[in-house]
Amino acid sequence: AQKITQTQPGMFVQEKEAVTLDCTYDTSDPSYGLFWYKQPSSGEMIFLIYQGSYDQQNATEGRYSLNFQKARKSANLVISASQLGDSAMYFCAMREGTTGANSKLTFGKGITLSVRP
Amino acid sequence: ETGVTQSPTHLIKTRGQQVTLRCSSQSGHNTVSWYQQALGQGPQFIFQYYREEENGRGNFPPRFSGLQFPNYSSELNVNALELDDSALYLCATGDRVFPGNTIYFGEGSWLTVV
Repeated sequence: AQKITQTQPGMFVQEKEAVTLDCTYDTSDPSYGLFWYKQPSSGEMIFLIYQGSYDQQNATEGRYSLNFQKARKSANLVISASQLGDSAMYFCAMREGTTGANSKLTFGKGITLSVRP
Repeated sequence: ETGVTQSPTHLIKTRGQQVTLRCSSQSGHNTVSWYQQALGQGPQFIFQYYREEENGRGNFPPRFSGLQFPNYSSELNVNALELDDSALYLCATGDRVFPGNTIYFGEGSWLTVV
């Protein structure tokens, strides 16, 4: 069974600084995909970044980068130059396989990020 | 803009009633999944549909059922509502053909059972 672990308590970061949100995962499937989503209080789940298990390089999307350490089964999200609008709940999620054939995601419990002015 | 639309956005139901939540997606997104997110928790997978057939189910009782239509729209039906069904219900769609990050969520439907 797949499992995602997010154990950090609420995180605080100063505006314009970088912050790392931790995520560890467990799966016996050699093929999987890792996702990070942002969820503001409105409830919408906003896609941030994706990493496939066979991708050779760490994924980057603008201010977001994913520190993928396969041997340690960790997929930490790094947000550079934090903005006030980054304050939200952040979820790490995993999918079996790396194709769109499966849209079932296993989510962690999430981390609350607060950006201070 | 994800191209995934859910309705209604908010609703209140009484225990024992039935509810139908709806989701529509852009053309080509032929898989749809539904998730239940209780307050303060991560979303939990309910089930997935592909080509109008259920294609995977999480740990939810049969009173949670769904439909997928040829136009890629979908419904989640919940019968005999219980107080614990109060949650945010999210719809997610994906493309079976293309790899990677093609899983898009709608804005969700907030259900309150009283």
